[in-house]
Amino acid sequence: AQSVTQLDSQVPVFEEAPVELRCNYSSSVSVYLFWYVQYPNQGLQLLLKYLSGSTLVKGINGFEAEFNKSQTSFHLRKPSVHISDTAEYFCAVRSNDYKLSFGAGTTVTVRA
Amino acid sequence: DGGITQSPKYLFRKEGQNVTLSCEQNLNHDAMYWYRQDPGQGLRLIYYSQIVNDFQKGDIAEGYSVSREKKESFPLTVTSAQKNPTAFYLCASSTAASGYTFGSGTRLTVV
Repeated sequence: AQSVTQLDSQVPVFEEAPVELRCNYSSSVSVYLFWYVQYPNQGLQLLLKYLSGSTLVKGINGFEAEFNKSQTSFHLRKPSVHISDTAEYFCAVRSNDYKLSFGAGTTVTVRA
Repeated sequence: DGGITQSPKYLFRKEGQNVTLSCEQNLNHDAMYWYRQDPGQGLRLIYYSQIVNDFQKGDIAEGYSVSREKKESFPLTVTSAQKNPTAFYLCASSTAASGYTFGSGTRLTVV
């Protein structure tokens, strides 16, 4: 069975500062990992995904994530955040039957 | 443009009533999913369907029912047996090669 742990429930950050959102997973099978963003009262939008290949994955809006198999991590980073990055972020792992298991989410609040 | 449409956006239910949430996709995706979202708990899987006329229970299926008569549609019924239905409900679809595409959600409130 797969599970996902997001290590930070709340991350306050100043505008133009870097941010890192931490995600650890457990999986007994091949790993497919995702990061999603959710703005208030909206659905989830895919930021990026790791299916295979390069362990550094670049996504939309300047986000990137690094897959680390030995540490079972998939941390999300952005070098310089904007006010518009204020949202909730979810890490997810996909099982072989294509079900997604989500972490509890990390709320990012960007302040001027 | 292809996508997933959930309706209504807001729904109010009286005690003891059944209500049905609509989810339609025009992405030609085989699999569809229903998730429930509560504050601080992430998303929990209610039901999923990988092909027409077949569906499986997720982690929190009690008090819910679904049908999958057409590839494009996967409605969710919240029955009176669901004791705490107030939540944000998200529908999604996927193929083997893709991530999930989510709808914009339905917020259900018991009044």
